[in-house]
Amino acid sequence: RKEVEQDPGPFNVPEGATVAFNCTYSNSASQSFFWYRQDCRKEPKLLMSVYSSGNEDGRFTAQLNRASQYISLLIRDSKLSDSATYLCVVKNTGGFKTIFGAGTRLFVKA
Amino acid sequence: DGGITQSPKYLFRKEGQNVTLSCEQNLNHDAMYWYRQDPGQGLRLIYYSQIVNDFQKGDIAEGYSVSREKKESFPLTVTSAQKNPTAFYLCASSERDNQPQHFGDGTRLSIL
Repeated sequence: RKEVEQDPGPFNVPEGATVAFNCTYSNSASQSFFWYRQDCRKEPKLLMSVYSSGNEDGRFTAQLNRASQYISLLIRDSKLSDSATYLCVVKNTGGFKTIFGAGTRLFVKA
Repeated sequence: DGGITQSPKYLFRKEGQNVTLSCEQNLNHDAMYWYRQDPGQGLRLIYYSQIVNDFQKGDIAEGYSVSREKKESFPLTVTSAQKNPTAFYLCASSERDNQPQHFGDGTRLSIL
């Protein structure tokens, strides 16, 4: 089983739609969680950290469920510019090891 | 502007040649990392360094070497022992171990 698993893509949604991605992690001692976005042939860029109480940044909402060991990302009112690959990232305790999910591709169409 | 600079953007390697990818950061971050990304795949950790003059192997260190002589610099050498070096190489840094990583804009390496 992979340490971090994401929804298989691609997700194809119309502009204005709401879309949600899930990500599960296997190490219950994982400490820090993040969502990154990566555009085609570019570097990953931090979208948001994920906090235990859940957090929101504009149209983006991230949630963490430690009991079930998953994190989620909700995008409301999708824009064409949201088209990208979204990476789930988990950092484990006791070191600098960071595990990246393989990513979920999102296509937002007019 | 603070950030991470990788160079060159594109690099071509001949058979039997070692090549070095540069990574410099002015964020005053302690930790630095090197990843490899193959088409359609996730990032795989090659090496990481928590402090100057110290570094650890990641999941795919074979055929690669690094040095960390200065806090701001973490060059990666792709040796001739790496038989399949064609990939997108990403350097990252972070302030502490529970902080997110920030990436340079990558180097694309191909074999001639």
